Amino acid sequence: AQSVTQLDSQVPVFEEAPVELRCNYSSSVSVYLFWYVQYPNQGLQLLLKYLSGSTLVKGINGFEAEFNKSQTSFHLRKPSVHISDTAEYFCAVFSPNQAGTALIFGKGTTLSVSS
Amino acid sequence: ETGVTQSPTHLIKTRGQQVTLRCSSQSGHNTVSWYQQALGQGPQFIFQYYREEENGRGNFPPRFSGLQFPNYSSELNVNALELDDSALYLCASSFLSGGAEAFFGQGTRLTVV
Repeated sequence: AQSVTQLDSQVPVFEEAPVELRCNYSSSVSVYLFWYVQYPNQGLQLLLKYLSGSTLVKGINGFEAEFNKSQTSFHLRKPSVHISDTAEYFCAVFSPNQAGTALIFGKGTTLSVSS
Repeated sequence: ETGVTQSPTHLIKTRGQQVTLRCSSQSGHNTVSWYQQALGQGPQFIFQYYREEENGRGNFPPRFSGLQFPNYSSELNVNALELDDSALYLCASSFLSGGAEAFFGQGTRLTVV
């Protein structure tokens, strides 16, 4: 079975500072990895995904993530955050070779950006 | 805009009642998955429908049931509502079962009193 651990429940940062949201996963099979963002009272929006290939993945809004297979991590980074990045961020895994499965999410990290 | 729409956006039900939530999937997608997101938690997988058949299920009791229609829209039905069923219910559509990218609707906020 797969599982996802988001190591920080809350991350407060100042505007224009860099940020890293940490995600570790556990799986005995190959997985796809995702980061989603959720703004208040809204659904989930895909930030970026890792399916295969280059371990450094670039997404929308200036975010990027690096897949590290040996450490089973997929940390999300942004070099300079904005107030508008304040939201809930979810890391998720998916097993492409298992029919009928779906995304397994972490518990989320609340990113709070202040001026 | 993802193209996945859910209705209603909010509703309040009494414990023991039944509820039906609806989802219209994105054009061209034939797979719909439903998730429950309790307050302060990540979404949890309820079940998935592919070509009108249940194609996978999470750890939810049988009183959570669903349907997918020929136009790939879907319903989530919950019977005998309990207080713990209060949550945001999210629908996600994708192309093919196990698609690599799921598009989420805005969700339905269910409150059970």
